[in-house]
Amino acid sequence: GDSVTQMEGPVTLSEEAFLTINCTYTATGYPSLFWYVQYPGEGLQLLLKATKADDKGSNKGFEATYRKETTSFHLEKGSVQVSDSAVYFCALSDVRPSTGFQKLVFGTGTRLLVSP
Amino acid sequence: DTAVSQTPKYLVTQMGNDKSIKCEQNLGHDTMYWYKQDSKKFLKIMFSYNNKELIINETVPNRFSPKSPDKAHLNLHINSLELGDSAVYFCASSPPRRDSGNTIYFGEGSWLTVV
Repeated sequence: GDSVTQMEGPVTLSEEAFLTINCTYTATGYPSLFWYVQYPGEGLQLLLKATKADDKGSNKGFEATYRKETTSFHLEKGSVQVSDSAVYFCALSDVRPSTGFQKLVFGTGTRLLVSP
Repeated sequence: DTAVSQTPKYLVTQMGNDKSIKCEQNLGHDTMYWYKQDSKKFLKIMFSYNNKELIINETVPNRFSPKSPDKAHLNLHINSLELGDSAVYFCASSPPRRDSGNTIYFGEGSWLTVV
């Protein structure tokens, strides 16, 4: 079945450091890929998405490029801030042939801690 | 205005009790979901409904019964609560297009603790 693998955390960085969180996926179809973020004590928010190969999603300084050849969707940010401290989830969405409807499969999440 | 709202946000209850979590979305979406996030932050789909009809049931115990009175609401009822049911439950919704690129919008979560 479909699956998403993320690097284990926590990732600990100083403010203004470069961030990379690795994400790879396995899927039988042609999924769309997402990054969601969960701030402490809050729900899930969409950070960015890409719906086809070579698309780049970007938002709030974060970027990720859909790489079909390496089945990856790594999250990057050039200069992190303390306020970026959160748990980041990579996810894929595929349409189930049995139902014709979308299903979102998540990775295990990566906690990011940014210190001043 | 909150797009996907769920109540209660926090719930502490004893083993064996029955409880419900309510969810409403005002986005006009046809499809709604329940996801469970365990203590290790792992998120997994439980149910999905489209226009009040069940379309995904991910081998969830029968003690969990979703109910969708209309396409804007998807409530989750849990019977005979067990310690292992302690988790954060997220309601979500997405547009009606049968497309993998739909964004799924999540509520703020309901923190359930069974003691």
